[in-house]
Amino acid sequence: GQNIDQPTEMTATEGAIVQINCTYQTSGFNGLFWYQQHAGEAPTFLSYNVLDGLEEKGRFSSFLSRSKGYSYLLLKELQMKDSASYLCAVIDSNYQLIWGAGTKLIIKP
Amino acid sequence: DTGVSQNPRHKITKRGQNVTFRCDPISEHNRLYWYRQTLGQGPEFLTYFQNEAQLEKSRLLSDRFSAERPKGSFSTLEIQRTEQGDSAMYLCASSFQRDFTGELFFGEGSRLTVL
Repeated sequence: GQNIDQPTEMTATEGAIVQINCTYQTSGFNGLFWYQQHAGEAPTFLSYNVLDGLEEKGRFSSFLSRSKGYSYLLLKELQMKDSASYLCAVIDSNYQLIWGAGTKLIIKP
Repeated sequence: DTGVSQNPRHKITKRGQNVTFRCDPISEHNRLYWYRQTLGQGPEFLTYFQNEAQLEKSRLLSDRFSAERPKGSFSTLEIQRTEQGDSAMYLCASSFQRDFTGELFFGEGSRLTVL
């Protein structure tokens, strides 16, 4: 079966750094997305990785290791508005998106 | 606004009634997806279209669900004889994909509550 694992919930402090991990077991791999979803809203695109390594985009960075079936999203200089769910999704060999359940990130002052 | 739009945003219905949701994708996007999401879960794939052709439908989708995309523009998702288990957020997303790896742009969703 296909599986995406993420922690259910994480808590961090405003101004700090947090790393949200995602491990996947899918039939094939054609890329990995991270999306942000605020409560009651639609997911919005954060990053896309298809090659190993780190992709940096402002305060957010995403890392991929295909050999380990592992990715993480790194959020720096946390702000209260970063409180949201973070969804990891993998494109499998059939080019279908397999979604994780999401990690709810709670930012405390 | 040139984003993906969905309506209605909220729908409350009694069990057994039919409901229809509409999605207007970004105009130049050729792919349109329907997902269902419940609290604390990621989006669950329902079906997708490339232009007007429905290319895949989830095995989880019962015969009560049907989707159309006439002329490859807007799409509708109809649920017949609704059940309480159908209560969820129904998300539409669109993309312009040459190589199946394009970013998905989501609409705000249509929240269904079945009483």
